[in-house]
Amino acid sequence: DGGITQSPKYLFRKEGQNVTLSCEQNLNHDAMYWYRQDPGQGLRLIYYSQIVNDFQKGDIAEGYSVSREKKESFPLTVTSAQKNPTAFYLCASSIGQGVNTQYFGPGTRLTVL
Amino acid sequence: AQSVTQLGSHVSVSEGALVLLRCNYSSSVPPYLFWYVQYPNQGLQLLLKYTSAATLVKGINGFEAEFKKSETSFHLTKPSAHMSDAAEYFCAVLRAGSYQLTFGKGTKLSVIP
Repeated sequence: DGGITQSPKYLFRKEGQNVTLSCEQNLNHDAMYWYRQDPGQGLRLIYYSQIVNDFQKGDIAEGYSVSREKKESFPLTVTSAQKNPTAFYLCASSIGQGVNTQYFGPGTRLTVL
Repeated sequence: AQSVTQLGSHVSVSEGALVLLRCNYSSSVPPYLFWYVQYPNQGLQLLLKYTSAATLVKGINGFEAEFKKSETSFHLTKPSAHMSDAAEYFCAVLRAGSYQLTFGKGTKLSVIP
């Protein structure tokens, strides 16, 4: 079954700790994305990667970091510098050319206590 | 720059009634347009997309949307609402050749029995 997996579904961390969210896809997509969702805000782009070993900042990259060492994986680290980390985080992927339709994973809800 | 405006953060319809969710976009070049649906605590699922072919686009679950360039609109409709349609709906615009999808803030649809 092809798709995007995000783990864990729910994550709790203490303030001041870094935390890494996992995103894996087996769709053979070149491009991957991380979004943050807050109630009433829609989705905002944090980082995206067009190809392995390359990534670009989105609209709200401050306090976050990513890596893209493998085509299938695009982990997101929420650092202690992120002022309001509690949110729903969504990972997506796309083929990387043409219409470039994005397909989404199930999301991770991060709560910082 | 491109942007998306969804009119109405919350829409309520009776079961069996017409569903109309409004989306207006701005884009400096012909866009690709998308509607996604999100059920509580889940990721986004693609409903339909406009890619400059037919202006009337049919999607999953009986939904359709019409691209109207003169009105810069891409409203989502369904002739008869079902209880299972209760969810949040997001309109999004993608500039051709770009990786950055711009989302509206979402419209939460409630279906009254």
